[in-house]
Amino acid sequence: DIVLTQNPVSLSVTPGQPASISCKSSQSLVHGNGNTYLYWFLQRPGQSPQLLIYEVSRLFTGVSDRFSGSGSGTDFTLMISRVEAEDVGVYYCMQGVSLPLTFGGGTRVDIE
Amino acid sequence: VQLQQWGAGLLKPSETLSLTCAVYGESFTDYYWSWFRQPPGKSLEWIGEINQAANTNKNPSLKSRVSLSIDTSKTQFSLMMTSLTAADTAVYFCAKGVSRWGPGTLVVVSA
Repeated sequence: DIVLTQNPVSLSVTPGQPASISCKSSQSLVHGNGNTYLYWFLQRPGQSPQLLIYEVSRLFTGVSDRFSGSGSGTDFTLMISRVEAEDVGVYYCMQGVSLPLTFGGGTRVDIE
Repeated sequence: VQLQQWGAGLLKPSETLSLTCAVYGESFTDYYWSWFRQPPGKSLEWIGEINQAANTNKNPSLKSRVSLSIDTSKTQFSLMMTSLTAADTAVYFCAKGVSRWGPGTLVVVSA
């Protein structure tokens, strides 16, 4: 199985400031079709996960453009340009290049 | 698309978990419908997926205990997991692929 390692484990951010989360994969997430299947989710307290970004950098429908994703191969980053109170929760990366789908351990973001 | 899920929330060791997810506002075609779980305080785990043709993929770590089914006439899909232990205590989520998730069902396995 592909192992995803997220850093940091937790992050405290001042509103309006940027934040960055790293996700490193034990194997390349580039599929044979050339696409890279790395996803980012936000799970707010008491809620189910919601998809933010798919295929490294594509913003899912309705997601704020304060979120962006980058990276390639095995190293990926989620960036929040200006953190707001509603961004509090746990962020997960997930790989979809091979089964079983696997998730990172999560990064907890709160507001200072 | 909206997903509504239900099933027994308190089970005893060795019993069988049965959850159903109903899909509203979406066709069953062209997608895989998924199950995930999240033990308390832990990360997410993929259980498996099923499509309209009842083709399935399952996590090898759970494959021997998991059955997936689909009822296209009711736009519902279901999960059964046998031989439960305390380690199966988790919130179980259904989802459209990975893009839209149901609210989750807490399943507690305890004697």
